[in-house]
Amino acid sequence: NAGVTQTPKFQVLKTGQSMTLQCAQDMNHEYMSWYRQDPGMGLRLIHYSVGAGITDQGEVPNGYNVSRSTTEDFPLRLLSAAPSQTSVYFCASSRGHWDYGYTFGSGTRLTVV
Amino acid sequence: KNEVEQSPQNLTAQEGEFITINCSYSVGISALHWLQQHPGGGIVSLFMLSSGKKKHGRLIATINIQEKHSSLHITASHPRDSAVYICAVRSRGETSGSRLTFGEGTQLTVNP
Repeated sequence: NAGVTQTPKFQVLKTGQSMTLQCAQDMNHEYMSWYRQDPGMGLRLIHYSVGAGITDQGEVPNGYNVSRSTTEDFPLRLLSAAPSQTSVYFCASSRGHWDYGYTFGSGTRLTVV
Repeated sequence: KNEVEQSPQNLTAQEGEFITINCSYSVGISALHWLQQHPGGGIVSLFMLSSGKKKHGRLIATINIQEKHSSLHITASHPRDSAVYICAVRSRGETSGSRLTFGEGTQLTVNP
């Protein structure tokens, strides 16, 4: 089915471990982004990409890296996990920059112990 | 003060009631989105609007650009409408479609 696929759905990490959250879309969307959702706060932008080879920081980029080698994939890397990175992570994509609708992945619930 | 404020934070209704969720924002925007987050966590885009009004089934979204305010209405509410409704805006002049600013969401519970 067309859409945004996020893996894994759940993950527990120990402090200091690294991991990659995967995000893939098959809609040929130019724009992709990563958000984190924490209790009592709105979704906050971590990193985004306006096309293959182009990425930029969002509101809360520290501790995360991204790359966009293809249009389809936009992985999010946690370099050295910290308990403050316990959150639910969403990947989203959009067709273009003139206000198209967004398609969200189903989310990854990450716990860092 | 957050750029996007939603009210109420929590809303409980009886099945069949007309529901209104409000969103106010403090910046000039080019578009406003309403999203629905299901109890399981998935997020679905409901509406994107930059002026006027849009309707889809029992859902109606309106926006008043001059007053920097949008409302989401649900007519004949049903327990399956129970979800978190999130307002998000894209600031005017922002060239990247990925940079949305989100409200904290309104938790709606519709009782049978």
